[in-house]
Amino acid sequence: DVQLVESGGGLVQPGGSLRLSCAASGFTFSGFWMSWVRQAPGKGLEWVANIKQDGSDKYYVDSVKGRFTISRDNVQSSLYLQMNSLRVEDTAVYYCARLHGGGWAHWGQGTLVTVSS
Amino acid sequence: SFELTQPPSVSMSPGQTARITCSGDALPKQYAYWYQQKPGQAPVLVIYKDSERPSGIPERISGSTSGTTVTLTISGVQAEDEADYYCQSSDNSGTYNFGGGTKLTVL
Repeated sequence: DVQLVESGGGLVQPGGSLRLSCAASGFTFSGFWMSWVRQAPGKGLEWVANIKQDGSDKYYVDSVKGRFTISRDNVQSSLYLQMNSLRVEDTAVYYCARLHGGGWAHWGQGTLVTVSS
Repeated sequence: SFELTQPPSVSMSPGQTARITCSGDALPKQYAYWYQQKPGQAPVLVIYKDSERPSGIPERISGSTSGTTVTLTISGVQAEDEADYYCQSSDNSGTYNFGGGTKLTVL
């Protein structure tokens, strides 16, 4: 079975940094685009970033460009999101998800990031 | 970027048919996907490529498309269908987007 397990969330002050991780198992990780999707408390879903199978292509939502970096380690079957210059509005549950076709059939359980002073 | 517009809420009595719409100029050119999300849980894909149903999703959940609008239809609504539903699509620049979500209440 496909499993995606996020970690690394927590409380951070505005302007701070945090690195999220996603451990993948149950499928050939190197064969799929991977994504981060977030959901602010009580709000809707927001796509954050995608990364190609070999890491050569990356795409970001405008609001995180220049601050967030998506990366992956295909040997470790892991996905990462480095988040710098964090803002209060980045507070959300961050989901790791496997992209297939144009949508996401597999999601992790999410990790909560809270940006607050 | 592109926008997808959904009604904020839909209310139905058990056994009725619920229809949730999603409108956007990109939809005639790109596939739409639908997700069901219950409180405290990760989203679940219920429709992909406008009208295809993943394994394990009941047949009473279906998707359709017409022009700039895609529709999620839930026939014979049950209490377990009460959830938030999101449409999603992408464009050719690698950008993905979700609709604002529709809260389905089963009365």
